Amino acid sequence: KQEVTQIPAALSVPEGENLVLNCSFTDSAIYNLQWFRQDPGKGLTSLLLIQSSQREQTSGRLNASLDKSSGRSTLYIAASQPGDSATYLCAAGAAGNKLTFGGGTRVLVKP
Amino acid sequence: DAGVTQSPTHLIKTRGQQVTLRCSPKSGHDTVSWYQQALGQGPQFIFQYYEEEERQRGNFPDRFSGHQFPNYSSELNVNALLLGDSALYLCASSLHVGSTEAFFGQGTRLTVV
Repeated sequence: KQEVTQIPAALSVPEGENLVLNCSFTDSAIYNLQWFRQDPGKGLTSLLLIQSSQREQTSGRLNASLDKSSGRSTLYIAASQPGDSATYLCAAGAAGNKLTFGGGTRVLVKP
Repeated sequence: DAGVTQSPTHLIKTRGQQVTLRCSPKSGHDTVSWYQQALGQGPQFIFQYYEEEERQRGNFPDRFSGHQFPNYSSELNVNALLLGDSALYLCASSLHVGSTEAFFGQGTRLTVV
């Protein structure tokens, strides 16, 4: 059974600092790893999708890496802004796009 | 492209009642999955529909059932509501073939009193 963990559960940084969010999973036989952003009371916005054959994906200030052998993925957000404040969720994708989520990291970027 | 749309956005039900939630997938997507997200936790997979059949199911009781229509839209039904069913219910759509990105709707907030 896949288990996904995100540590820390909450993170507070000053504006401009780089953010590093961690995600670990127990079963390395994943199809993909997806990162999402969730604002309070809202749905999930897809940020990055890394296929199992890839090592990283980049989109603007966001970069995500994947190391299947160690069961880890890391999301980097460069030069954080107050608008980056949200909960970030990672999800390990299995066959048929069934996703197993971590508990999320709640991020606060202080002006 | 309207993306994934869910209705209603909020719902209040009494314990023991039944509820139906609806989801329209992103244009071109044929697979719909439902997730339950309790407050402060990550989403939990309920089940997935493709070609109008339930293809995968998570660890949820039979009180949770669903349906997919020929236009790929889907419904989630919950019978005999419990207080613990209060949560944000999220619908995700994707392409069945291959490992593809899942897109989520804004969710339906269900409160059971």
